[in-house]
Amino acid sequence: AQKITQTQPGMFVQEKEAVTLDCTYDTSDPSYGLFWYKQPSSGEMIFLIYQGSYDQQNATEGRYSLNFQKARKSASLVISASQLGDSAMYFCAMRESISSGSARQLTFGSGTQLTVLP
Amino acid sequence: EPEVTQTPSHQVTQMGQEVILRCVPISNHLYFYWYRQILGQKVEFLVSFYNNEISEKSEIFDDQFSVERPDGSNFTLKIRSTKLEDSAMYFCATGQSTDTQYFGPGTRLTVL
Repeated sequence: AQKITQTQPGMFVQEKEAVTLDCTYDTSDPSYGLFWYKQPSSGEMIFLIYQGSYDQQNATEGRYSLNFQKARKSASLVISASQLGDSAMYFCAMRESISSGSARQLTFGSGTQLTVLP
Repeated sequence: EPEVTQTPSHQVTQMGQEVILRCVPISNHLYFYWYRQILGQKVEFLVSFYNNEISEKSEIFDDQFSVERPDGSNFTLKIRSTKLEDSAMYFCATGQSTDTQYFGPGTRLTVL
């Protein structure tokens, strides 16, 4: 079974509008972290936002927020006021056993290609 | 703002040759990772490194791969005998804690 599922291979949004990129995950570990990364066409991976499974509030970083619905195992990324520079591939990732203190791997989804239209 | 750096940005090699990919982590980071991304595919974990030893490795990270931190700063990934299917973008990532992993710009490896 896929640990991270991103069901939207491509999304379009009008400039200045908000957009939600979906991510669902599968784990039996009570201690995990969820990450979102942006990969522009130049190829680098840019860290956007992190949510820990025990965090009481949804994470926010500037125009990025994470809609964390633990019971549904969902961690959607919301981008407010989209800009042309937001056009990129967006990856959701999960790290299990965050309390272990060891260097555990990230498991990535297949990504969503976001295109912001002028 | 400190960044993870990787060299070279692009490496072309012949099948069967050894390659060494280099990463300079952010200075106070303790956790180190290598990932790869075959063109058009998802990012795959290779290996993680903490406290001068491997923490975790994937099935991809077989005997042809090795990592080390030879001088306490650089973090290297060596592929002993490259195969065509090793062609990919290789990302180093580092973190000060387990909550974050900051990625470098990547090394594009092309095996001919």
